[in-house]
Amino acid sequence: ETGVTQTPRHLVMGMTNKKSLKCEQHLGHNAMYWYKQSAKKPLELMFVYSLEERVENNSVPSRFSPECPNSSHLFLHLHTLQPEDSALYLCASSQDRVPGNTIYFGEGSWLTVV
Amino acid sequence: KQEVTQIPAALSVPEGENLVLNCSFTDSAIYNLQWFRQDPGKGLTSLLLIQSSQREQTSGRLNASLDKSSGRSTLYIAASQPGDSATYLCAADNTDKLIFGTGTRLQVFP
Repeated sequence: ETGVTQTPRHLVMGMTNKKSLKCEQHLGHNAMYWYKQSAKKPLELMFVYSLEERVENNSVPSRFSPECPNSSHLFLHLHTLQPEDSALYLCASSQDRVPGNTIYFGEGSWLTVV
Repeated sequence: KQEVTQIPAALSVPEGENLVLNCSFTDSAIYNLQWFRQDPGKGLTSLLLIQSSQREQTSGRLNASLDKSSGRSTLYIAASQPGDSATYLCAADNTDKLIFGTGTRLQVFP
């Protein structure tokens, strides 16, 4: 098992669909993150969870809804998305919230909104 | 607001060359500076983390330096190989948030 596992790897959804991205970390970390990576733009931090509590939400639209049921699992629930939401969504974890901790990323979930 | 810039955006070199990738940041009040590698369609792999009190870190053929006062970091790759082909991203860590650059896309050809 790799350290941070994301499913599905690829997802195509219509603008009226509801879907979820799943992330699981096997590293015993306390902090988990969702990042968005769009073409030719820097990675954007979306959400941060520390000890299962959401500690940061970087002005992300409400059509993205995170859930962290325990320290090993993180979900990103998607509904009524827009085509511009098509991107690579990366989950990451670290021992504690940065600074100073190495952050480990999953392989990402490629999302296409049609 | 921290901004991170990476130059060049793309680089293509023959195998065996020594390379320097540049990263600059606008706010020098950082906790650390991290370098990552991203293969096409994949996630990020952490390469090196330099704490703000350190000047450099080394891992195998990779050496990263940090000059906080000038807002610069460089990643030096010695004796490049085709397997080094990937996008390299740097990220400045301040206010407990990683701010990423847009990366340098490296291609090493045989």
